[in-house]
Amino acid sequence: KNEVEQSPQNLTAQEGEFITINCSYSVGISALHWLQQHPGGGIVSLFMLSSGKKKHGRLIATINIQEKHSSLHITASHPRDSAVYICAVRSNYGGSQGNLIFGKGTKLSVKP
Amino acid sequence: GAGVSQSPSNKVTEKGKDVELRCDPISGHTALYWYRQSLGQGLEFLIYFQGNSAPDKSGLPSDRFSAERTGGSVSTLTIQRTQQEDSAVYLCASSSSPGVTTQYFGPGTRLTVL
Repeated sequence: KNEVEQSPQNLTAQEGEFITINCSYSVGISALHWLQQHPGGGIVSLFMLSSGKKKHGRLIATINIQEKHSSLHITASHPRDSAVYICAVRSNYGGSQGNLIFGKGTKLSVKP
Repeated sequence: GAGVSQSPSNKVTEKGKDVELRCDPISGHTALYWYRQSLGQGLEFLIYFQGNSAPDKSGLPSDRFSAERTGGSVSTLTIQRTQQEDSAVYLCASSSSPGVTTQYFGPGTRLTVL
């Protein structure tokens, strides 16, 4: 079982729809990141969360530490939101606390 | 301001050759990370540097892989005797501290081993 699971793997939406991408993890963490990777390959860090909720423009990220679950929401989706969204966690158990553990990503396609 | 830069952007090499990939982190960032993304696969951690501490090499897939960070700034990832399975995009990221901070990613180096 992967330590970080994302769902769905693929998501197609119509422009304007509200989108939710989910991330569940099985390890203790000190932080969770949501990353966006565009078709050209560049990766942008959207959010870093250790508790609660963060909002940036049309993007909202929430985390429930007790349930080991995070969601990324996109309101009023637009074709330019089409990308792969990656959940990554920084573990807080023994060994290294420096590296991120990544989910496999959710490929989002927003149709006009 | 300048972000994380990596060079080369693309590298094609023959099986068995050695390659060096370079990462210039954001100035002042003490933490530097190398990741790899193979075709159709997710990102995987390779190595992590924090200041003058010994690097965390726990993600390096074999002893053909090594990395160094000179003067706490520029880092070089070296792959010796490259194999076809080494083909991937190699991504570097940096952050201002090793704690709960945002990592800023470079554009990556696409390595193709023929």
